[in-house]
Amino acid sequence: RKEVEQDPGPFNVPEGATVAFNCTYSNSASQSFFWYRQDCRKEPKLLMSVYSSGNEDGRFTAQLNRASQYISLLIRDSKLSDSATYLCVVTSTTSGTYKYIFGTGTRLKVLA
Amino acid sequence: DTEVTQTPKHLVMGMTNKKSLKCEQHMGHRAMYWYKQKAKKPPELMFVYSYEKLSINESVPSRFSPECPNSSLLNLHLHALQPEDSALYLCASSPFPSGTSYEQYFGPGTRLTVT
Repeated sequence: RKEVEQDPGPFNVPEGATVAFNCTYSNSASQSFFWYRQDCRKEPKLLMSVYSSGNEDGRFTAQLNRASQYISLLIRDSKLSDSATYLCVVTSTTSGTYKYIFGTGTRLKVLA
Repeated sequence: DTEVTQTPKHLVMGMTNKKSLKCEQHMGHRAMYWYKQKAKKPPELMFVYSYEKLSINESVPSRFSPECPNSSLLNLHLHALQPEDSALYLCASSPFPSGTSYEQYFGPGTRLTVT
């Protein structure tokens, strides 16, 4: 089983739609969680950290469910500019140093 | 300012060449990372430097040699690469290598082609 799993998609949605992605992780000791977006041939950009209480940033809402070991990202009122790959990140430690474990990414295409 | 810069943007090199990739950040971050990313795949961690010391090497072949001359700079020296090493090489930094606040910020990457 992979450490971090995401549905690769693509998710094709019309403008204005609401879309949700889930990401499951296997290491119950993981402490920090993030969502990044990556445009084609560009670097990953931090979208938001994910907190236990859930957090919202404009049209984006992230949730963490530690009991079931998954995180989610909800995008409301999708825009064409939201088209990208969304990478789920979970942290793991090696000798006291944290490192990122990336999911495979979920591709989103928002259609006009 | 959360800027990480990388040079060069593109690099084409032969299998016998020696080249270096450079990464710089001026955010006072104490952890720096090298990742390799192939098309349609997530980034794969290669090396982590914590407080200018190598703390993680993810079993990377010795033809890749990292160097951290100071807290702002990170280099990746390349020698005798193979065509399968062609990829996007990403540098990232974070405030600290451990603790709860360590979002990583990525540079734009160097697109490497080995011929």
